Amino acid sequence: NAGVTQTPKFRILKIGQSMTLQCAQDMNHNYMYWYRQDPGMGLKLIYYSVGAGITDKGEVPNGYNVSRSTTEDFPLRLELAAPSQTSVYFCASRALPWGGNTEAFFGQGTRLTVV
Amino acid sequence: GESVGLHLPTLSVQEGDNSIINCAYSNSASDYFIWYKQESGKGPQFIIDIRSNMDKRQGQRVTVLLNKTVKHLSLQIAATQPGDSAVYFCAENISGNQFYFGTGTSLTVIP
Repeated sequence: NAGVTQTPKFRILKIGQSMTLQCAQDMNHNYMYWYRQDPGMGLKLIYYSVGAGITDKGEVPNGYNVSRSTTEDFPLRLELAAPSQTSVYFCASRALPWGGNTEAFFGQGTRLTVV
Repeated sequence: GESVGLHLPTLSVQEGDNSIINCAYSNSASDYFIWYKQESGKGPQFIIDIRSNMDKRQGQRVTVLLNKTVKHLSLQIAATQPGDSAVYFCAENISGNQFYFGTGTSLTVIP
């Protein structure tokens, strides 16, 4: 059981480039989340999804887009990379919504540097 | 040893001592809280959670205390071990699927 898998683990982008951060989970979880974590800081919610075809903005959605065409996959898209998007990105999934007393599983993270 | 979240982001304790990590949350309407542990280079791991209708919950070597009057959450780790060294985050459920994470407290266990 792989859990939550994020690719790539590391990436360096030039300003203005675009890329997609991949996230896949094999636990059949409906709820998936994207967070960013800046150095020495907590996690900030970018986007989340409550099921295939449904996404919604979190706390810091500007500069990002997501899609959820399948239950398993929840890619995060950066269209025009900016230095402010240098961060570590974490994807998470959960069987029930927050408050459902079930554990959230996080991926290992993608470290992105925009230069 | 004891920390106060944002004001004391680092905490060092001797192996075998108890650790207390504190967290002040922002929204009196928050009804669910989670503590996460994050080891270097890894994603956060769930430790324990608590609902707002409780003031204490115990797990294996960990206890979470919730004081809604002063909007304060604490994580107590009994008999701290070197493997407990990590950054610990509290997260509060503001509404629906939105969780807000604190800045974290770095715990170092001295052998």
